[in-house]
Amino acid sequence: GENVEQHPSTLSVQEGDSAVIKCTYSDSASNYFPWYKQELGKRPQLIIDIRSNVGEKKDQRIAVTLNKTAKHFSLHITETQPEDSAVYFCAASWGGGSNYKLTFGKGTLLTVNP
Amino acid sequence: GAGVSQSPSNKVTEKGKDVELRCDPISGHTALYWYRQSLGQGLEFLIYFQGNSAPDKSGLPSDRFSAERTGGSVSTLTIQRTQQEDSAVYLCASSSDQETQYFGPGTRLLVL
Repeated sequence: GENVEQHPSTLSVQEGDSAVIKCTYSDSASNYFPWYKQELGKRPQLIIDIRSNVGEKKDQRIAVTLNKTAKHFSLHITETQPEDSAVYFCAASWGGGSNYKLTFGKGTLLTVNP
Repeated sequence: GAGVSQSPSNKVTEKGKDVELRCDPISGHTALYWYRQSLGQGLEFLIYFQGNSAPDKSGLPSDRFSAERTGGSVSTLTIQRTQQEDSAVYLCASSSDQETQYFGPGTRLLVL
């Protein structure tokens, strides 16, 4: 089955700096890669996703890049703000039979210091 | 519109008891997923429902776990003879386009 590795497990940055979280996946058939943000005690919220026919996607301060050959994808947050502090999860799925069950990384605790 | 809702929000039970967790998906969403999140861990897939198709149960950790989805809407996850290792947050997600999944707030289960 699919395996997703996520690094780093914790990341601390100063407000205004950039943050980068990296994930690798094992199943070359995976074709959908979402990123979720989870604040303490809250539900995971989708912040951005990318499909395997796209190499990069950007939404304001957030961008995701995908390298299918190397089987890795990354989340980039620019101009970080204290409200960006949360746990971020990457995930992968391949949509076999329309089943997009997600395999998640173990998460990255991002702390943005004012 | 209303998002995914789950009940109860918290459940404390004694080892050996059965529990039922409920999920109300977003109206019109045909796909429904259950995941489990243990303390400090990522989310682990449990089961997937899509319309009237047979569910994908490949993530259920043991035969003590079962789930059903009645009328293509509400889903119930049942854990029989609960064990302490079942303590976790159980999250439900629904989807209309089968890719983008929207999560509920979860049920925090504590087995004493």
